[in-house]
Amino acid sequence: DAKTTQPTSMDCAEGRAANLPCNHSTISGNEYVYWYRQIHSQGPQYIIHGLKNNETNEMASLIITEDRKSSTLILPHATLRDTAVYYCIVRVAYSGGGADGLTFGKGTHLIIQP
Amino acid sequence: DAGVTQSPTHLIKTRGQHVTLRCSPISGHKSVSWYQQVLGQGPQFIFQYYEKEERGRGNFPDRFSARQFPNYSSELNVNALLLGDSALYLCASSFVQSRTTQYFGPGTRLLVL
Repeated sequence: DAKTTQPTSMDCAEGRAANLPCNHSTISGNEYVYWYRQIHSQGPQYIIHGLKNNETNEMASLIITEDRKSSTLILPHATLRDTAVYYCIVRVAYSGGGADGLTFGKGTHLIIQP
Repeated sequence: DAGVTQSPTHLIKTRGQHVTLRCSPISGHKSVSWYQQVLGQGPQFIFQYYEKEERGRGNFPDRFSARQFPNYSSELNVNALLLGDSALYLCASSFVQSRTTQYFGPGTRLLVL
């Protein structure tokens, strides 16, 4: 799977949009971009994923650049409960019968300030 | 609908002992994956089970094993515990082996003394 690069930490004011970048310059055409977050000592929570089109759900929006080498996760109105570590993961669309384990990096620690 | 459940929530063991952790997937999901997360790191993939067969494993020794039951629940077994096995053990379930999103349980916190 392609490697991802994320900032170690970011701050955002409560009520503002939080924009979390992810670089995946070696992504290949059959790889999706997934985002998870992990609130302290809990299991990772799925947020959103996409292939090449922008995606939106009730939690967030995912913007993928046209060349697919980077993406941005947008939390439109951040609250204190959004403070967490956010992981950007690139994952093949089909593992061909082999294991399909996710490769987590260290993620971005997003701190929402009151 | 119930999410992925894991038991126990916390566990303390001594070096050399054996431990068994349990996971129940989301109803209808047939694949279970196990991850280890040590403090300060992201989760590391241990192995994945689908239709009761191991489909592959990460870089973990043979002391780590698992099985999946006909109801798709799973057990993770770790033999000859080392201090370095202290971690949060996470179970994730998905509908099938690949192409579908993995959903994580709350984890089991294991402390080896």
